Amino acid sequence: NAGVTQTPKFRVLKTGQSMTLLCAQDMNHEYMYWYRQDPGMGLRLIHYSVGEGTTAKGEVPDGYNVSRLKKQNFLLGLESAAPSQTSVYFCASSYWVEAFFGQGTRLTVV
Amino acid sequence: DAKTTQPPSMDCAEGRAANLPCNHSTISGNEYVYWYRQIHSQGPQYIIHGLKNNETNEMASLIITEDRKSSTLILPHATLRDTAVYYCIVDFPPIQGAQKLVFGQGTRLTINP
Repeated sequence: NAGVTQTPKFRVLKTGQSMTLLCAQDMNHEYMYWYRQDPGMGLRLIHYSVGEGTTAKGEVPDGYNVSRLKKQNFLLGLESAAPSQTSVYFCASSYWVEAFFGQGTRLTVV
Repeated sequence: DAKTTQPPSMDCAEGRAANLPCNHSTISGNEYVYWYRQIHSQGPQYIIHGLKNNETNEMASLIITEDRKSSTLILPHATLRDTAVYYCIVDFPPIQGAQKLVFGQGTRLTINP
């Protein structure tokens, strides 16, 4: 099993560009999450999903959109990237207790 | 907002027990206490969870006070590889509804040789 896989691992965007981060899990988990982590800070929840076709806002949802069309995938979109969105993005999935995290996507917006 | 309070940093000597405290005075009856850690810049790793009783697994022990307003994570024989940021989280399990897993700032634990 691959667990939770994030694509891409690194990306540099110009201000105003758009992109989509992909999170894929092969554990048949219902719950999926997107977090961002800024230097020296803890993880902050952007959006989460409690099942296929459902999404909800977390602590810092502004500037991001998400979709969960398939149970195994959770997409995070940036429609118009801003330098303030420079961060490391983590995806996670869970079913009962333990959440499994991906290795992160390091995004730089210049 | 995170529902927990943790010290920002702690040090521990290699081979000794590391005791990491967490205050969660507003915890509700159905919420669990979870501990995760993040080594360097990797994704967080689950350690242990508990509801009321003390718990132990191969990684750590979790001691929850009787009133459930605080808890302590114990790493019995800390090694250099235990150097990480440790997060204490209070939340519902997914099966009871929306588990948000809101992380706070955590405790940066440094194990010294």
